[in-house]
Amino acid sequence: DQQVKQNSPSLSVQEGRISILNCDYTNSMFDYFLWYKKYPAEGPTFLISISSIKDKNEDGRFTVFLNKSAKHLSLHIVPSQPGDSAVYFCAASPADSGYALNFGKGTSLLVTP
Amino acid sequence: GAGVSQSPRYKVAKRGQDVALRCDPISGHVSLFWYQQALGQGPEFLTYFQNEAQLDKSGLPSDRFFAERPEGSVSTLKIQRTQQEDSAVYLCASSLVGRGTEAFFGQGTRLTVV
Repeated sequence: DQQVKQNSPSLSVQEGRISILNCDYTNSMFDYFLWYKKYPAEGPTFLISISSIKDKNEDGRFTVFLNKSAKHLSLHIVPSQPGDSAVYFCAASPADSGYALNFGKGTSLLVTP
Repeated sequence: GAGVSQSPRYKVAKRGQDVALRCDPISGHVSLFWYQQALGQGPEFLTYFQNEAQLDKSGLPSDRFFAERPEGSVSTLKIQRTQQEDSAVYLCASSLVGRGTEAFFGQGTRLTVV
């Protein structure tokens, strides 16, 4: 049962524009959310996170928004760069067993020049 | 090394063969995790160690899967009598604290069972 869902398998954006990657979750016990970025043949790399007590977290070109009532979060990348082309995974951690991350299936982002 | 190191990077096993996958976490990291990533899927949690103690093995898909971390550093994931559905990338991650949030992942071992 997929508790973290990324419904868009792929996304293509022009360089300089905004990339918006979406993620939905079903488990109301999740209280910490993360985005990981993955290049081919490499392991996932932590990108940005947000706690359920906040609704926004910003780090440079990356901003994560959390809408708890809708059980939805999104990652905004602006401006997008060709080097951002990768697979982005949304992950969530429950309060009672914070060591196990639940991942979505990923969204493959392609930023074209 | 500076990051999580996994070996081998690639492993081809004949069905029924036993395999052992190794993970060297970042030095000093207390927590160690194993995840399985099937093709086209996100990583799925297998097991968690805090130092040498295996605190959660709820994600191990069957009793053919066994993990250990005897000295609280290097960990080995062993799969006995491999089957084709075991084909996946096995990812190891480590973190300083118990919560697997900012965990650092290795490059993974791609296991192909033929």
